[in-house]
Amino acid sequence: GNSVTQMEGPVTLSEEAFLTINCTYTATGYPSLFWYVQYPGEGLQLLLKATKADDKGSNKGFEATYRKETTSFHLEKGSVQVSDSAVYFCALSDKGTYKYIFGTGTRLKVLA
Amino acid sequence: KAGVTQTPRYLIKTRGQQVTLSCSPISGHRSVSWYQQTPGQGLQFLFEYFSETQRNKGNFPGRFSGRQFSNSRSEMNVSTLELGDSALYLCASSLESGPSLNTEAFFGQGTRLTVV
Repeated sequence: GNSVTQMEGPVTLSEEAFLTINCTYTATGYPSLFWYVQYPGEGLQLLLKATKADDKGSNKGFEATYRKETTSFHLEKGSVQVSDSAVYFCALSDKGTYKYIFGTGTRLKVLA
Repeated sequence: KAGVTQTPRYLIKTRGQQVTLSCSPISGHRSVSWYQQTPGQGLQFLFEYFSETQRNKGNFPGRFSGRQFSNSRSEMNVSTLELGDSALYLCASSLESGPSLNTEAFFGQGTRLTVV
């Protein structure tokens, strides 16, 4: 079945450091890919999405490119801030089953 | 535009009891999904409803059930609660087509259920 694999956390960075969170997927067909972020005590918020190969999603300085050849959707940010501290989830939309499949989440901690 | 509203935010129940959680989707959204989030299992799909019809159900026991009303509001029910049901239950709403057609899901803040 379809699945999403994310790098294990936690990831601890200093403010203004470069961030990469790896995400790879296994899917039949061409799923849409998403990054969600969860702040403490909150639900999930959509960070960005890409719906087809080579699409680049971007929002709030975060970017991710849908790479069909490597089945990846890595999240990047050039300069992280303390306020970016949260848990990040990679997900794909499992077409035909009306559900999302999530990775295990990667906790990011940014130190001032 | 109001977001997805889940009530209550927190619940404490005793083993063996039952519980009902409520979700009001974003206005105009007809697809409602439920997910269980635990530290050990992560985010797991419970079920999805569209126009009062359950279109898919995750791998959970029959104690977990749900329904959707004509105004798209949804409820989920867990009967005979077990300690392992302690989790954050998240509701998500999507536009008419649901997540199968590239539309993103908008999540509520969740209901934190603790079973003692």
